[in-house]
Amino acid sequence: DAGVIQSPRHEVTEMGQEVTLRCKPISGHNSLFWYRQTMMRGLELLIYFNNNVPIDDSGMPEDRFSAKMPNASFSTLKIQPSEPRDSAVYFCASSLRTGANVLTFGAGSRLTVL
Amino acid sequence: GQQVMQIPQYQHVQEGEDFTTYCNSSTTLSNIQWYKQRPGGHPVFLIQLVKSGEVKKQKRLTFQFGEAKKNSSLHITATQTTDVGTYFCAGGNKLVFGAGTILRVKS
Repeated sequence: DAGVIQSPRHEVTEMGQEVTLRCKPISGHNSLFWYRQTMMRGLELLIYFNNNVPIDDSGMPEDRFSAKMPNASFSTLKIQPSEPRDSAVYFCASSLRTGANVLTFGAGSRLTVL
Repeated sequence: GQQVMQIPQYQHVQEGEDFTTYCNSSTTLSNIQWYKQRPGGHPVFLIQLVKSGEVKKQKRLTFQFGEAKKNSSLHITATQTTDVGTYFCAGGNKLVFGAGTILRVKS
């Protein structure tokens, strides 16, 4: 198993541009999580899906952020328009199910918004 | 909402010294997990504790879950340079992460 696959690994963009981050969870995992990591705020849960359905998006900072999971093997996190304060490492993680289950993280997408 | 506090934020030890990080929750936790993130890497699962008072060991690492299921600790005996990284606890069904403890080891 290749693990959780994220792309791109690095993205540098200008303020106002749209950013799309992609994630392929481990096959057979039913839950998918998006986290954001910054020095100031640590690891923040943005949203999680169970069986492709968004369960809790209370961590999504604002309307500029949106996430989708059209099928069991793919999810996107979109920021439109991007702002410098969105600069962070965005991690996708998957688990067999939500609640008391082990998270396997992807390598992360490092986003820099100029 | 649920909060998970972790202390210390940072610890710098001499190789061979012991290290402990503590995790405290504002609410009772159904479970607690520990993760390690190497510099420049991603969090990697270490262990999960579920039972009140549970103690688990992995070589030089000892994990404890408090009797009230509101606190936990990770103790590393005789640190090595390979132990360098950030140690996170995460608790509850939504796996709320603590801020992490950064461990640096001087050789």
